[in-house]
Amino acid sequence: QKEVEQNSGPLSVPEGAIASLNCTYSDRGSQSFFWYRQYSGKSPELIMFIYSNGDKEDGRFTAQLNKASQYVSLLIRDSQPSDSATYLCASWVTGTASKLTFGTGTRLQVTL
Amino acid sequence: NAGVTQTPKFRILKIGQSMTLQCAQDMNHNYMYWYRQDPGMGLKLIYYSVGAGITDKGEVPNGYNVSRSTTEDFPLRLELAAPSQTSVYFCASSYSTAGYQETQYFGPGTRLLVL
Repeated sequence: QKEVEQNSGPLSVPEGAIASLNCTYSDRGSQSFFWYRQYSGKSPELIMFIYSNGDKEDGRFTAQLNKASQYVSLLIRDSQPSDSATYLCASWVTGTASKLTFGTGTRLQVTL
Repeated sequence: NAGVTQTPKFRILKIGQSMTLQCAQDMNHNYMYWYRQDPGMGLKLIYYSVGAGITDKGEVPNGYNVSRSTTEDFPLRLELAAPSQTSVYFCASSYSTAGYQETQYFGPGTRLLVL
């Protein structure tokens, strides 16, 4: 059973629109959640993390966490073609010696 | 700071050959990790280390070995390469404790092809 699930996409949004990326997790012990962006052929880079219920904003990015429903989302406002990438969601369960569990990623395409 | 560095960038191996993937970090991070990523898939943890001299298995350790003699270096050894080990390998590091997970920083990756 997968612990972190994401829709593989591709999710296609027009330039300037809001992209909504979703992630669900099965382990209720998950404490923190990380969103990584990965361009084709490159390594993952952190966009933001969240550990409290609610919203966390950083520039054009907003992470949302709902622990009761066990989902995490990433909103990208004013999407740009440079946002086209695969977005990986990862969860961390306390007491697991700092191991992250990654989802398979959602591919986002921002069209002109 | 160079961050996390990996060598080589690309390698072709024949079945049964062995090789070592190198990883180094200059951020004085205590935790280091090795992941593999197959096409269209997420990252799978192979091995990790919580400090020099301490390593542990991840999700997919079979066919690999690691050692960590210094804080900076965390090499991954492939013995008897098999086609199933064709993948992109990422090394990562972080400062972490049992109760807190900081950001993992990734190296540029090593693309391995086993024929």
